[in-house]
Amino acid sequence: GESVGLHLPTLSVQEGDNSIINCAYSNSASDYFIWYKQESGKGPQFIIDIRSNMDKRQGQRVTVLLNKTVKHLSLQIAATQPGDSAVYFCAENTGGFKTIFGAGTRLFVKA
Amino acid sequence: DGGITQSPKYLFRKEGQNVTLSCEQNLNHDAMYWYRQDPGQGLRLIYYSQIVNDFQKGDIAEGYSVSREKKESFPLTVTSAQKNPTAFYLCASRNKLPRPGELFFGEGSRLTVL
Repeated sequence: GESVGLHLPTLSVQEGDNSIINCAYSNSASDYFIWYKQESGKGPQFIIDIRSNMDKRQGQRVTVLLNKTVKHLSLQIAATQPGDSAVYFCAENTGGFKTIFGAGTRLFVKA
Repeated sequence: DGGITQSPKYLFRKEGQNVTLSCEQNLNHDAMYWYRQDPGQGLRLIYYSQIVNDFQKGDIAEGYSVSREKKESFPLTVTSAQKNPTAFYLCASRNKLPRPGELFFGEGSRLTVL
């Protein structure tokens, strides 16, 4: 069935280092991918997205890479800050309006 | 400011009672969604609606019901048929055209069954 998964449930990085959060997806028909950040007790917030006709997209301090050959998605955060500590979800859209979320990766930033 | 408002933020329910969670948006979005989140887990889709007076079941619709009588509103009823209703419930909306964009989420409603 359709699924979006993450390789690591937790990630701990030193403040100032770069973070890389990975995601594997299984539906080759998915055409739109989104990364969300969720802080404790709040709703997820949009970080960055990418459509299937692209392999890289950059935002402010964040970059999303899409490898359709191996169905892999990653989120890179440059110069990680304490405020980046949160749970990060990847999500995929299969062309309609159904969005499937992965289990999430908790990012800890050490001062 | 435009956004999505969920209420109540916290809700306690006795077993056997139905409860309704409110979700209102003023973003003029056509599509609205309800997700359930359990501790340490991802979001699972309960129901979604692409247009007024129409909605579709998600992956875990059993024990839940929704209505979409107005574009701005998409209430979720957690019925007594839902065996494990304690969870964090998230409502979201998105643009429909020209292509589906990102989801905008509310702050969530935490339901606890006593």
